[in-house]
Amino acid sequence: AQTVTQSQPEMSVQEAETVTLSCTYDTSESDYYLFWYKQPPSRQMILVIRQEAYKQQNATENRFSVNFQKAAKSFSLKISDSQLGDAAMYFCAYNVMDYGQNFVFGPGTRLSVLP
Amino acid sequence: DAGVIQSPRHEVTEMGQEVTLRCKPISGHNSLFWYRQTMMRGLELLIYFNNNVPIDDSGMPEDRFSAKMPNASFSTLKIQPSEPRDSAVYFCASSPATNFVQYFGPGTRLTVT
Repeated sequence: AQTVTQSQPEMSVQEAETVTLSCTYDTSESDYYLFWYKQPPSRQMILVIRQEAYKQQNATENRFSVNFQKAAKSFSLKISDSQLGDAAMYFCAYNVMDYGQNFVFGPGTRLSVLP
Repeated sequence: DAGVIQSPRHEVTEMGQEVTLRCKPISGHNSLFWYRQTMMRGLELLIYFNNNVPIDDSGMPEDRFSAKMPNASFSTLKIQPSEPRDSAVYFCASSPATNFVQYFGPGTRLTVT
């Protein structure tokens, strides 16, 4: 079974600084999708960034970028120029098409942004 | 696009009562997911529909929980009878076949007293 691990339950970053959230996963598949979702205090789950495993180029979305290491099964999220609005729970997730979708979420990392 | 719509946003009920949560997925999405989120257990997948057909209900806790998707634009999650341990935030998410991204609704916070 696929699993997603986030080893940092909590992290903090100073406003305007850069922070990296870690994620590792376990799978025997070669083609799959990885995601980072953000859940602010409003509890709405918001997609931050998406990466297809067959693409070697790391995905970027404005201040958010990933470091995808397929061989190491690692998928970290880097937030540059951190803003107060970035404070939230961040979930790493994995999805593979295997007789339907097989979506697995990690336990989450709570990020605090310090003014 | 209105996004995934869930109702009610908050529900408070007494133990033993029936609770029905509702979800309207994004138009054109062919997959729908029900999740439960608690502090202790995190985000748990309860059931997943593809083209209105239940594909995986292995996450449904017990027979008190049931889910239906009578058409492509509506799904319900029912708990009967409800218990205090069912208190949680319940999310509905939908996904298109094109990019495998899940788009979440705002959630329903259920409190069973």
